[in-house]
Amino acid sequence: ELKVEQNPLFLSMQEGKNYTIYCNYSTTSDRLYWYRQDPGKSLESLFVLLSNGAVKQEGRLMASLDTKARLSTLHITAAVHDLSATYFCAVDANFGNEKLTFGTGTRLTIIP
Amino acid sequence: SQTIHQWPATLVQPVGSPLSLECTVEGTSNPNLYWYRQAAGRGLQLLFYSVGIGQISSEVPQNLSASRPQDRQFILSSKKLLLSDSGFYLCAWSEPLWPSGGYTFGSGTRLTVV
Repeated sequence: ELKVEQNPLFLSMQEGKNYTIYCNYSTTSDRLYWYRQDPGKSLESLFVLLSNGAVKQEGRLMASLDTKARLSTLHITAAVHDLSATYFCAVDANFGNEKLTFGTGTRLTIIP
Repeated sequence: SQTIHQWPATLVQPVGSPLSLECTVEGTSNPNLYWYRQAAGRGLQLLFYSVGIGQISSEVPQNLSASRPQDRQFILSSKKLLLSDSGFYLCAWSEPLWPSGGYTFGSGTRLTVV
């Protein structure tokens, strides 16, 4: 059974600081996804990582994937208040079993 | 472009009443379709997924059922709701076989069972 673990679960950080959210998963996969969820809202896709060593950046967020370590990171650079949200990573198993298993989520609060 | 529609947005239902939530996808053919549930303050749990018309896989035993009567329509149902069915229900779609575009979620239905 595929398990996906995120840490930290809660993160409170000051504006302007950098931080990293970690996502570990338990089985072989080279497909990992990051989502953002605002309170009361649905999931917004942030990054789709489809190969070992994949790195994608959008604004102050950068995601990477190391399939050998079964680890993805979401790095936040110079945080601003509007990045406050809950961030989820999700993994699907390889070909023939396309369904997402989610991590527990990281609730990020940016303090002015 | 592809779009996913989910309704209703909010629903308050008494215990023991039936449920029907609908999800439709436009702009694609033969999508994989999914129903997820998110309990308050929790992560997302996969309830059902479908790779084609009439093909439904259930991930967890529960008081709910799903159907796919048309290629781009996915319905979540219950004959008698329980208090524990309350939550945020999300429909999602992906390309079949190799979802390089990822998984796209609908806007969700917030269900409160009273």
